[in-house]
Amino acid sequence: DGGITQSPKYLFRKEGQNVTLSCEQNLNHDAMYWYRQDPGQGLRLIYYSQIVNDFQKGDIAEGYSVSREKKESFPLTVTSAQKNPTAFYLCASSTLDRGYYGYTFGSGTRLTVV
Amino acid sequence: SQQGEEDPQALSIQEGENATMNCSYKTSINNLQWYRQNSGRGLVHLILIRSNEREKHSGRLRVTLDTSKKSSSLLITASRAADTASYFCATDLSGGGADGLTFGKGTHLIIQP
Repeated sequence: DGGITQSPKYLFRKEGQNVTLSCEQNLNHDAMYWYRQDPGQGLRLIYYSQIVNDFQKGDIAEGYSVSREKKESFPLTVTSAQKNPTAFYLCASSTLDRGYYGYTFGSGTRLTVV
Repeated sequence: SQQGEEDPQALSIQEGENATMNCSYKTSINNLQWYRQNSGRGLVHLILIRSNEREKHSGRLRVTLDTSKKSSSLLITASRAADTASYFCATDLSGGGADGLTFGKGTHLIIQP
């Protein structure tokens, strides 16, 4: 079955550490997105990519970095520069052709700073 | 800033009743989408309505769009316990979602058995 996989499901980070969240899709989607969700809040866009080797900043990119070396993969690194990284992180993908129907989301990674 | 704002923030109804959620937005859109999120899970796409459409149905879901008022509503008919979730509207300004969707804060729906 096609889908989008995020790992790990839970992640604990010490102060000052960088951590990388994985996002892989086998839907052959062109575009991929990273969102952050805080309790009781909506989703805020961190980064997005429409094509391999290219990506754009979203509304809250500071303290985060991404890469898009393969169409299937869009990992997110939460750097030590991110002041408040504890949150639920969601990855999504979509087609960019005429069959566009909305986003497919992964099941999320919950990051906690300890 | 949030493009879409859902109303109410929370809604509790009895099983079998209809649930209505509203979404208001600020700028012109290409399409508007509704998603469901069960607690601690990812979002699931429910329905997409384009700016030139006024109403759309999918099973027990009915979505309306009023571009003159910049608002949309999601109606869930004959609610079930499994409908308990948070519901988000998302606006797509450019079409195709390529530049990212903008989400509201959601309506938390509780269906009482």
